[in-house]
Amino acid sequence: GAGVSQSPRYKVAKRGQDVALRCDPISGHVSLFWYQQALGQGPEFLTYFQNEAQLDKSGLPSDRFFAERPEGSVSTLKIQRTQQEDSAVYLCASSFEGAGNQPQHFGDGTRLSIL
Amino acid sequence: DAKTTQPTSMDCAEGRAANLPCNHSTISGNEYVYWYRQIHSQGPQYIIHGLKNNETNEMASLIITEDRKSSTLILPHATLRDTAVYYCIVRVRSGGGADGLTFGKGTHLIIQP
Repeated sequence: GAGVSQSPRYKVAKRGQDVALRCDPISGHVSLFWYQQALGQGPEFLTYFQNEAQLDKSGLPSDRFFAERPEGSVSTLKIQRTQQEDSAVYLCASSFEGAGNQPQHFGDGTRLSIL
Repeated sequence: DAKTTQPTSMDCAEGRAANLPCNHSTISGNEYVYWYRQIHSQGPQYIIHGLKNNETNEMASLIITEDRKSSTLILPHATLRDTAVYYCIVRVRSGGGADGLTFGKGTHLIIQP
């Protein structure tokens, strides 16, 4: 029984480089969410997909952040021209559907460090 | 989504029941109460959720007051592996899309041997 899988588990990049973080949701889950968690803080919402449609990207901090889910399954979060303040854990979650009574199930995240 | 208030930290002896309170005085009638926990270096783990009735599953029990302005998560027999940050979240019941969860700072529960 596979849960939400994220890769890589750790990523170190130099300031200015582009990075891509991958999320494999639970099979059959329609909804997919990305969160950012700074050290010592709770996760903060970034963006939401329903199948391949990105329905909410209100939490993306800048236009350097871009997410896609082209076939409604695997999703990629891309950060261009990384900056030190992008250092955080990036969490992906999926749920069977988007209704409020469907719990979101999280992966263990990608820890991104920008040098 | 309504705001929640939780104590910053709590201790509990191993084997005893851990009772974690949460205030959500501005909760709306269409908002669920969710509980998640996060163990160090892992993603948040779903525990339980409810609307207005008390709920129980294999992990915990959720007690929601009649006015729904507060709730308590109960871990009946705490073990050292229950040491984690526990988040109480209120979430809109339905909608055409979905809402991202709004996490606060949570309660750091420390189980003492």
